[in-house]
Amino acid sequence: DSGVTQTPKHLITATGQRVTLRCSPRSGDLSVYWYQQSLDQGLQFLIQYYNGEERAKGNILERFSAQQFPDLHSELNLSSLELGDSALYFCASSLLGTGGETQYFGPGTRLLVL
Amino acid sequence: AQSVTQLDSHVSVSEGTPVLLRCNYSSSYSPSLFWYVQHPNKGLQLLLKYTSAATLVKGINGFEAEFKKSETSFHLTKPSAHMSDAAEYFCVVSLRNDYKLSFGAGTTVTVRA
Repeated sequence: DSGVTQTPKHLITATGQRVTLRCSPRSGDLSVYWYQQSLDQGLQFLIQYYNGEERAKGNILERFSAQQFPDLHSELNLSSLELGDSALYFCASSLLGTGGETQYFGPGTRLLVL
Repeated sequence: AQSVTQLDSHVSVSEGTPVLLRCNYSSSYSPSLFWYVQHPNKGLQLLLKYTSAATLVKGINGFEAEFKKSETSFHLTKPSAHMSDAAEYFCVVSLRNDYKLSFGAGTTVTVRA
């Protein structure tokens, strides 16, 4: 158990809908990362937050947004969902959010868009 | 730019025999290198991490990896495979000036009884 929690575990929704994925980092970690795992793209970095501020952006679509709250939990919002958004979404956390730091991953949220 | 190439998409071994998972990286700077494992329907678990302290890194569950700068490789080995080692393994690179982790495509390990 990494100490990172994600809810929900599974999510089934329809095209055009909006969903929110939630992540709580390990106790003491200030930085949160979101990754998407799909069969065709593999594991891709989406976005990073550090102590409430956005720090880095990866291959995140404009339909997707995220935020980190004062209690350090984070939410990833996916809107206008398409079939291709079906994937496993991971949250990870690290202490300081610096390069080269170990990131600890949650169990993931499996999203299925029908 | 940094990238990671896992040379085998699938490795099949017999229980009790050695496992070798190959990884090459390209990076302009000294990277941090990781191996993560993903068991079916589970999250990613850190196996081990290289940060330039020692070229041979020992991880959990009997795994180890050797960093070879001249070959830009970071291969993962285990002397004796166990059925519980069946999973997908990811070689990962990270640089000091880049916050994200860059993942290889993954190697699926099958262990035969």
